Amino acid sequence: DTEVTQTPKHLVMGMTNKKSLKCEQHMGHRAMYWYKQKAKKPPELMFVYSYEKLSINESVPSRFSPECPNSSLLNLHLHALQPEDSALYLCASSQLGQANVLTFGAGSRLTVL
Amino acid sequence: SQQGEEDPQALSIQEGENATMNCSYKTSINNLQWYRQNSGRGLVHLILIRSNEREKHSGRLRVTLDTSKKSSSLLITASRAADTASYFCATAYTGGFKTIFGAGTRLFVKA
Repeated sequence: DTEVTQTPKHLVMGMTNKKSLKCEQHMGHRAMYWYKQKAKKPPELMFVYSYEKLSINESVPSRFSPECPNSSLLNLHLHALQPEDSALYLCASSQLGQANVLTFGAGSRLTVL
Repeated sequence: SQQGEEDPQALSIQEGENATMNCSYKTSINNLQWYRQNSGRGLVHLILIRSNEREKHSGRLRVTLDTSKKSSSLLITASRAADTASYFCATAYTGGFKTIFGAGTRLFVKA
């Protein structure tokens, strides 16, 4: 299994809603990532987990809350988002080591109304 | 910013022609990777070149790396309509998990 699965594919939420994005991989990768991508821009790193511990937080606002319940799952909890948070949210995973080749999921398209 | 710059921002060519995209970066790197993204979807890893390598080939792809100029190029030979996508270089920094993407080149291959 060489896939990273993200759900939902599309999400529309109001600014007062609480929702979650989910990511799952079964490749035995011990590093997992959240990236945010706006239209016609490159992915921007948000969070990195290694061995289920948060190792990088790129100064992301607290309305985004990551969680790594086990080595296969990564969640991104969303609360009180702003319309400018609308974007494609990409999950990725990688083997730990020097090469750091990322395997991406298809993304969750988030629209905040 | 650690992000690399890529040029051109957009490139339109005919099927069968070669496409060359360039990437520059700012600090010392462990390796440089190229990824492809079809519209609105996830990125797919294409090729990795290590900091001690100068050139690498994979099928119709050829990547070069010049660490003295902090630059890399991706050549796609004999392009096909299916190569239409955005291409990003990405640099992985020594000692960390930080993979940072360049601005990207949008390639259009006309049939």
